[in-house]
Amino acid sequence: GAVVSQHPSRVICKSGTSVKIECRSLDFQATTMFWYRQFPKQSLMLMATSNEGSKATYEQGVEKDKFLINHASLTLSTLTVTSAHPEDSSFYICSARDLEGDTRGRDAQYFGPGTRLTVL
Amino acid sequence: LAKTTQPISMDSYEGQEVNITCSHNNIATNDYITWYQQFPSQGPRFIIQGYKTKVTNEVASLFIPADRKSSTLSLPRVSLSDTAVYYCLVGSPNTGGFKTIFGAGTRLFVKA
Repeated sequence: GAVVSQHPSRVICKSGTSVKIECRSLDFQATTMFWYRQFPKQSLMLMATSNEGSKATYEQGVEKDKFLINHASLTLSTLTVTSAHPEDSSFYICSARDLEGDTRGRDAQYFGPGTRLTVL
Repeated sequence: LAKTTQPISMDSYEGQEVNITCSHNNIATNDYITWYQQFPSQGPRFIIQGYKTKVTNEVASLFIPADRKSSTLSLPRVSLSDTAVYYCLVGSPNTGGFKTIFGAGTRLFVKA
C-alpha cells in the first residue's frame, strides 16, 4: 500500500514549451501533496504545498506563475512548468500525505519516483 | 521547523553496522523524527520513524535519547546496496502548515 506514482518519469522539451507532471496517490487519499525539486548532488528543495480544492502555497523564491499547481482531487496533483528554460532542468519529486496517517498524529508521507525534466 | 545536522558523508564496509547521528536541538514537543533513504534518480524511501527511546523495524533501528535533541539511525550489517543518501527530518503533522524540509543528508558509501 501507500504508493505514489509520477508521470512522466522522464521528459525532454524545447525551451519555451510547457510541461505537465502528474502525481497520483494510488491507494490512499491525500489532502496534501508536496512538490520538490532536486539538482544533481543536492538535497530536495521544497517548492510548494498543494492542498486539495484550494490554492497551492509556494515557498519563498518559487514563481507561482511559472510553476502552476493544481490539486483537483484527493488522489491527483499536477505541476506545470510553463515556458520552460534550460535552468528549469531538474529532478522533480512529489510526495503525498496519507489522510488516515494524519488522524493518527504521525507523519505518513510517501514519495513518488520522480520526473527528470531536461529543457533543451 | 527544527533544523537538522548530519555528517556529510560516511564510509563503511559490507557486513558492518552503520550508525548515522542527526542533531536536532530545536525539536518541538510534538515533533516526530523520520529517516528517509534516497538512491540516485529516485524518490526518497521511508525507513523509520520515532518519537522517543527506541524503534526497530525490519531494516533499521532508531535510537532517541531522553532529551530528543539527537537521534541515531542504525543499519545492521550493511551491504553494497545500502549505498545511498540518508535524510533525517523532524516535524509534526499536527502543526498547522506542516511541511517537510530536507537537510543536506548523509552520503553513505559501502565498500566491498
